[in-house]
Amino acid sequence: QSALTQPASVSGSPGQSISISCTGSSSDVGGYDYVSWYQQHPLKAPKLLIYDVTDRPSGVSSRFSGSKSGNTASLTISGLQAEDEADFYCSSYTSSGTVVFGGGTKLTVL
Amino acid sequence: EVQLVQSGAEVKKPGESLKISCKTSEYSFTNYWIGWVRQMPGKGLEWMGIIYPDDSDTRYSPSFQGQVTISADKSISTAYLQWSSLKASDTAMYFCARRPRYCSSFSCLDYWGQGTLVTVSS
Repeated sequence: QSALTQPASVSGSPGQSISISCTGSSSDVGGYDYVSWYQQHPLKAPKLLIYDVTDRPSGVSSRFSGSKSGNTASLTISGLQAEDEADFYCSSYTSSGTVVFGGGTKLTVL
Repeated sequence: EVQLVQSGAEVKKPGESLKISCKTSEYSFTNYWIGWVRQMPGKGLEWMGIIYPDDSDTRYSPSFQGQVTISADKSISTAYLQWSSLKASDTAMYFCARRPRYCSSFSCLDYWGQGTLVTVSS
């Protein structure tokens, strides 16, 4: 199964909003409302930000939000902060009963 | 607090076998799926597979089926990832992580181990 497609990099200034896309197919992103998003700082384990497309685990800032349209899911970060600079990954449940990650997006806060 | 503590870094030669561990605490080990994720140097995350410790129901990504074995020991609340014959291309950081009950699929993992770096080199 192929990795989901994410932009290699995005950037934004503090206070701005940015969005990261995650494109798959009808066999994964488009077929299920089972998309998650993770943030990974260098040399750290990933942190779950969003699950089931739009839901946030307890303790995750409301500045992070998720959405989906067709085969593309999106993560939006509002009120960008310097500490948001990290790599971001989407993941989706697939029709084969497994999970596929996106290739990752590096967020730079200018 | 929920904890997943992984075994230490390993340096192995091609063809050798290896079993790394993920010891959990402060939650009911048998009632949560535990997944394994690979991250090759400078690369992205790859979902390898997941196990339900209560009955050892295991699912593998097609990319990893037959290449690794995921197991669990309920008596010591520990999950394992093992190789019978390592290759240089297995060099990577490996993470274990727990699937929370509030998640509707295997896609979400909430608590993560610190990672185990496996280096395979002749």
